[in-house]
Amino acid sequence: EDQVTQSPEALRLQEGESSSLNCSYTVSGLRGLFWYRQDPGKGPEFLFTLYSAGEEKEKERLKATLTKKESFLHITAPKPEDSATYLCAVQARGSQGNLIFGKGTKLSVKP
Amino acid sequence: DAGITQSPRHKVTETGTPVTLRCHQTENHRYMYWYRQDPGHGLRLIHYSYGVKDTDKGEVSDGYSVSRSKTEDFLLTLESATSSQTSVYFCAISAQGSSYNSPLHFGNGTRLTVT
Repeated sequence: EDQVTQSPEALRLQEGESSSLNCSYTVSGLRGLFWYRQDPGKGPEFLFTLYSAGEEKEKERLKATLTKKESFLHITAPKPEDSATYLCAVQARGSQGNLIFGKGTKLSVKP
Repeated sequence: DAGITQSPRHKVTETGTPVTLRCHQTENHRYMYWYRQDPGHGLRLIHYSYGVKDTDKGEVSDGYSVSRSKTEDFLLTLESATSSQTSVYFCAISAQGSSYNSPLHFGNGTRLTVT
């Protein structure tokens, strides 16, 4: 069964304190791994797609990496505006584009 | 914005009543999806559509039906709402088909409460 597990469930950081979020997955043929950001009352906002092990993508203070079993979202020197829930999802080969989501990591960054 | 409008944004309804949620897109994308989001669960797929009049079931389809008579509109119907269907419902679209790894883009959701 295709599955995505995110850890930790919640993470509190001080402004400027770098850290990483983890996404472990099992999937019958990975087509892509996706990271989203979700703010309260809003829909998920697309951040990155990773396709193969060893790939990395960066956007501002965020960097996503991928191995054969997990992905990390590294947050460097976070700011309060980075506070949100971060969602990881996988797309399996043979799916009709459907994504299987983890439960998310709620990040709080305090000034 | 990905050009997705969900309506209504909020709805309160009584058990046993029918409810229809609407998703409208302006991107002319082929694929459309309905997900629900509940505390303690990830987003879960209800139904999806891969073209006009072409739909299929997702992981949690019981109690829901969908229709797509135009490319731009995808309707989700709860035939007889139950309290277990209290949730936040998200519509998503994808250009899947032209690019297999296209991400999904989401609307801002409909919060449905069944009393």
